[in-house]
Amino acid sequence: EDQVTQSPEALRLQEGESSSLNCSYTVSGLRGLFWYRQDPGKGPEFLFTLYSAGEEKEKERLKATLTKKESFLHITAPKPEDSATYLCAVQETTSGTYKYIFGTGTRLKVLA
Amino acid sequence: DAGVIQSPRHEVTEMGQEVTLRCKPISGHDYLFWYRQTMMRGLELLIYFNNNVPIDDSGMPEDRFSAKMPNASFSTLKIQPSEPRDSAVYFCASSPGTMETQYFGPGTRLLVL
Repeated sequence: EDQVTQSPEALRLQEGESSSLNCSYTVSGLRGLFWYRQDPGKGPEFLFTLYSAGEEKEKERLKATLTKKESFLHITAPKPEDSATYLCAVQETTSGTYKYIFGTGTRLKVLA
Repeated sequence: DAGVIQSPRHEVTEMGQEVTLRCKPISGHDYLFWYRQTMMRGLELLIYFNNNVPIDDSGMPEDRFSAKMPNASFSTLKIQPSEPRDSAVYFCASSPGTMETQYFGPGTRLLVL
């Protein structure tokens, strides 16, 4: 069964304390892996798309990496405003249609 | 652009009633997606459209759920009859292409009593 698993479920960091979030997946025919940020009461907001193993993308304090089985979202020197739920999603193709499968997210809290 | 617009933002209804959620995608986006988010199951894709045509509705939970896209600027998700287990946040998203970023609306928080 196609699956996307994120860990940890929740993470508390002190401001400036770097860490990584994990997204592991088991899908056939991966076309892309997406990272989103979701603030309370809002819709997910796009961060990155990764297409192939070895690819990396950066945006401010965030860096996303991809291997054949998992992706990491590295947060360097986080600030309180980085507190949010981070969602990972994979897109796969099956019989000509596209499937989007989201993980349940990592709730990040950065303390000042 | 105003982004993806959803209405209503909040809906409280009683079991058995019909519920209609509405979505206006970003102009020029060919793909429209309906998602449901709950604490237990996270974000689930219900159905998506390409150029107003439903492509994959395998995520629609039951026949009580139906979705339409009569034109490029409007879509509805209808639940009839509604049940308490349908309580969730329903998101609409649009995208210019299958490999492109999805832009999410603010969601409709549905509570079925």
